[in-house]
Amino acid sequence: EVQLVDSGGGLVEPGGSLRLSCAASGFTFNNFAIAWVRQVPGKGLEWVSGISGSGGKTYYADSVKGRFTVTRDNSKNTLFLQMNRLTAEDTAVYYCAKVGFSGWYGGFDYWGQGTLVTV
Amino acid sequence: QSALTQPPSASGSPGQSVSISCTGTSSDVGGYTYVSWYQQHPGKVPKLLIYEVHKRPSGVPDRFSGSKSGNTASLTVSRLQAEDEADYYCSSYAGTSTPVVFGGGTKLTVL
Repeated sequence: EVQLVDSGGGLVEPGGSLRLSCAASGFTFNNFAIAWVRQVPGKGLEWVSGISGSGGKTYYADSVKGRFTVTRDNSKNTLFLQMNRLTAEDTAVYYCAKVGFSGWYGGFDYWGQGTLVTV
Repeated sequence: QSALTQPPSASGSPGQSVSISCTGTSSDVGGYTYVSWYQQHPGKVPKLLIYEVHKRPSGVPDRFSGSKSGNTASLTVSRLQAEDEADYYCSSYAGTSTPVVFGGGTKLTVL
């Protein structure tokens, strides 16, 4: 069974940093790109960042470029999001989400439960 | 990286059909056949309903269907049921720099 478990959220002061983790199981981790998607409570989904299966390619939304860094440790089946220079606008639930067999083309077939970041 | 445009709300009675639109540009929806749709119930994680415009993952009822014309994609929910009341989000592949863009979401009410 595919599982994604998000963790690392919490309360942080403006200008501070936080590191989110996403522990994966139930699939061949390094075969799939994974993204971070956030959602302000009561609002819509926003794609934040993504990383290829090998970790060699990373992608960022303009709103976080230069402040957030996505990495993955394929030996530990874990995805990370290092968030620096946080602002109130970064307050949201952060989900990790796995792409399907079509990669970035085919949507996200599994999602973590989300972790709340409050700035 | 502008969000795709969805109507904020839609509604229908049980048994009816309702369609939700998702409008983008030639750089996303119009440029690729890679539109996805998600259903999110309150307090729950988004669930993939449709991918690659019209394909359904295993387990998704055939009451949910997708289509696309030009820069606008649509999700149609047929034979509406009370359990279909939820928020619906579209997304599209948007190129190699920023692979994914989401719509603002549509709240579907079953009357």
